[in-house]
Amino acid sequence: NAGVTQTPKFRILKIGQSMTLQCTQDMNHNYMYWYRQDPGMGLKLIYYSVGAGITDKGEVPNGYNVSRSTTEDFPLRLELAAPSQTSVYFCASSYGGAETQYFGPGTRLLVL
Amino acid sequence: KQEVTQIPAALSVPEGENLVLNCSFTDSAIYNLQWFRQDPGKGLTSLLLIQSSQREQTSGRLNASLDKSSGRSTLYIAASQPGDSATYLCAGNFGNEKLTFGTGTRLTIIP
Repeated sequence: NAGVTQTPKFRILKIGQSMTLQCTQDMNHNYMYWYRQDPGMGLKLIYYSVGAGITDKGEVPNGYNVSRSTTEDFPLRLELAAPSQTSVYFCASSYGGAETQYFGPGTRLLVL
Repeated sequence: KQEVTQIPAALSVPEGENLVLNCSFTDSAIYNLQWFRQDPGKGLTSLLLIQSSQREQTSGRLNASLDKSSGRSTLYIAASQPGDSATYLCAGNFGNEKLTFGTGTRLTIIP
């Protein structure tokens, strides 16, 4: 099992550009999550999904969009990138909403 | 608002010592609490999940406790090793399918 995989590992964007961060899990987990981690600020939940076709906002959803067309994939879309979106983005998954969460290796994004 | 706090932000301990990392939370109606380890530039690795009905959970040299009434959890690391150096984060699940994270304690084990 590869667990949770994320691509790309690192990306530099110019202000106003768009991109999609990819996340895939092979554990047949129902729940998937997107977090951002800023230095000294802990992890903040952006969006989450409880199953294919169902998504919901987290604490900091503005500027992002998600979709969940399959159990395995949960891409995060950034539209009109801004410097405030410079961060490390982590995808995670779990079997249930109160189960152990498994994290991917992260995507480091720099918006200039 | 549910909040999770970890103090101190950084801790240095000589190798071989036992140590305790602290995590406090504001909502006593916590469902469970997870402890994670994060190495520099890496993702989070789950260490222990402790349910609200449990008081302790153990894995090897690690022992986590949960006291809902006082709003505290501790992670005890026995016989610390340089390989234990990492940032340790706790996260509470308050029954809403989401985790609320603390900001972490950066642990350095001095050889």
